[in-house]
Amino acid sequence: QKEVEQNSGPLSVPEGAIASLNCTYSDRGSQSFFWYRQYSGKSPELIMSIYSNGDKEDGRFTAQLNKASQYVSLLIRDSQPSDSATYLCAALDNYGQNFVFGPGTRLSVLP
Amino acid sequence: SAVISQKPSRDICQRGTSLTIQCQVDSQVTMMFWYRQQPGQSLTLIATANQGSEATYESGFVIDKFPISRPNLTFSTLTVSNMSPEDSSIYLCSATTGVRYGYTFGSGTRLTVV
Repeated sequence: QKEVEQNSGPLSVPEGAIASLNCTYSDRGSQSFFWYRQYSGKSPELIMSIYSNGDKEDGRFTAQLNKASQYVSLLIRDSQPSDSATYLCAALDNYGQNFVFGPGTRLSVLP
Repeated sequence: SAVISQKPSRDICQRGTSLTIQCQVDSQVTMMFWYRQQPGQSLTLIATANQGSEATYESGFVIDKFPISRPNLTFSTLTVSNMSPEDSSIYLCSATTGVRYGYTFGSGTRLTVV
């Protein structure tokens, strides 16, 4: 059973702090990883993708991938109340056919 | 990335009836997917819909309950048949222009069965 695991949270951080969201996956053959943001009552929105070991930065967001540890993370710098949402981690399976989504981590940024 | 229009956005239905949800993509896509999301839960894949072939259903979902059409590369429908209150959920379609580039989601259909 291919799984993607995340802490459900809620993760609470003060405004301006760094929020760190973590994700582990079981399928060692997974090649591509994605972070989605989902506001309450809305559909998921893709915010980051990462394919190679290391860091990938996009504005206030940094995705980190460690394939040896089967670990993916998302850092949000200078967190804002508008970042409060559920963040879903997803892994593309080894066949390149299907995404496996984690349960999501609920982030709350406190003003 | 693709833009998906999904409708209806919400509906309240009587038990025993059926509802068809439509998704229109602004570009041709090979693969479309239908998900269900219970409140506070993550996404559960219902089926994968490829143009020109029957949909592939995940464990726990059957064609008689969730028939899917995929008549062309830009459109798909999901029908929730013979509804019961347990079918109350958010239904989402998604598509990809290449799985390596991620999935795009429609705006979702919030279904309430009474």
